[in-house]
Amino acid sequence: AQTVTQSQPEMSVQEAETVTLSCTYDTSESDYYLFWYKQPPSRQMILVIRQEAYKQQNATENRFSVNFQKAAKSFSLKISDSQLGDAAMYFCAYRSTGNQFYFGTGTSLTVIP
Amino acid sequence: EPEVTQTPSHQVTQMGQEVILRCVPISNHLYFYWYRQILGQKVEFLVSFYNNEISEKSEIFDDQFSVERPDGSNFTLKIRSTKLEDSAMYFCASRVTREVTDTQYFGPGTRLTVL
Repeated sequence: AQTVTQSQPEMSVQEAETVTLSCTYDTSESDYYLFWYKQPPSRQMILVIRQEAYKQQNATENRFSVNFQKAAKSFSLKISDSQLGDAAMYFCAYRSTGNQFYFGTGTSLTVIP
Repeated sequence: EPEVTQTPSHQVTQMGQEVILRCVPISNHLYFYWYRQILGQKVEFLVSFYNNEISEKSEIFDDQFSVERPDGSNFTLKIRSTKLEDSAMYFCASRVTREVTDTQYFGPGTRLTVL
């Protein structure tokens, strides 16, 4: 089974600074998708960004970007110009061509004013 | 923008009681899912549903759980006899197709508390 590992249970960043959240995964598949979801205190799961494994170009969504290293099975999330509203739990997730999502254990991000 | 909705937002029940959690997926979506998140832990897959039948289920989804699409809009998760360890946040999700390119949208969740 696929596994997703987030080795940073907690991270903090100063407002307006940049922070990088780490994620690694284990798979034998070549075709899959990777996601970062944000879970604020309301506990809703909000899609932040996604990356297709077959694309070499790293995905970018405004202040959010990823560093996807397929050979290393690494998928980190970079948040630039951090804002107070970015404070949340961030989950890395893997989805294969099948139906299931596999989630990491999450990284709790604190933004310091 | 269309969104997945879930009711109730919070359900409190006594151990041994039956509960039904309700979800309304996005209207043109065909694949539906339930996930569970015990407080402080990661989100775990429970079951997927397509064409009025279960496509896949995890080890968590035992005989105490069932899912149903009783009409054209609702998708329900029933827990027959709740246990203390069923206390969790339950998320419904849906997507249009099974294609790997398709995004899965999550509902806001139902917090289930079993006393």
